Amino acid sequence: AQTVTQSQPEMSVQEAETVTLSCTYDTSESDYYLFWYKQPPSRQMILVIRQEAYKQQNATENRFSVNFQKAAKSFSLKISDSQLGDAAMYFCAYRGRQLTFGSGTQLTVLP
Amino acid sequence: GAVVSQHPSWVICKSGTSVKIECRSLDFQATTMFWYRQFPKQSLMLMATSNEGSKATYEQGVEKDKFLINHASLTLSTLTVTSAHPEDSSFYICSARVGTNTEAFFGQGTRLTVV
Repeated sequence: AQTVTQSQPEMSVQEAETVTLSCTYDTSESDYYLFWYKQPPSRQMILVIRQEAYKQQNATENRFSVNFQKAAKSFSLKISDSQLGDAAMYFCAYRGRQLTFGSGTQLTVLP
Repeated sequence: GAVVSQHPSWVICKSGTSVKIECRSLDFQATTMFWYRQFPKQSLMLMATSNEGSKATYEQGVEKDKFLINHASLTLSTLTVTSAHPEDSSFYICSARVGTNTEAFFGQGTRLTVV
């Protein structure tokens, strides 16, 4: 079975600074997708960024980028120029047969 | 992105009664829908996967007779919590997907409180 591990239950960052959230996963599959989701206090799950495993190039979405290390099974999220609206719970997710979520990282943005 | 609407957003019911939660894909046809449960400050736990027109596949430990899932059309799936008890109080989230190689879109969730 696939597992997703987020080792940072909580993180904080100063507004306008950069923060990196860690995620590792375990799988024997070669073809899969990885995602980062954001869950603000409203609890609506919002897709932040996705990465196809067959792509070597790291995905980027505006201020959000990933560092995908397939051999190391690592998928970290970097948030640049952090904004107050980035404060939320962030979940790393692996998509094989089903979507498996990590335990989440609560991000606080300090003004 | 595609829109998934979940209704109701919150519901309070008495112990022993049943409550139905609806999940609708508004602008696409969802071949597969997923139901998750989330406890406070915890991750999403998959309860079941449903494909239109067929029986849902439940994850280990999820009582299929208690959590009835129906996926009668390509735009609607329902989760019915039967004979609800206070321990069923939780946040329930659905998601919907087209095909097998696309992302899933999430509903806004339903907070169920059983009193």
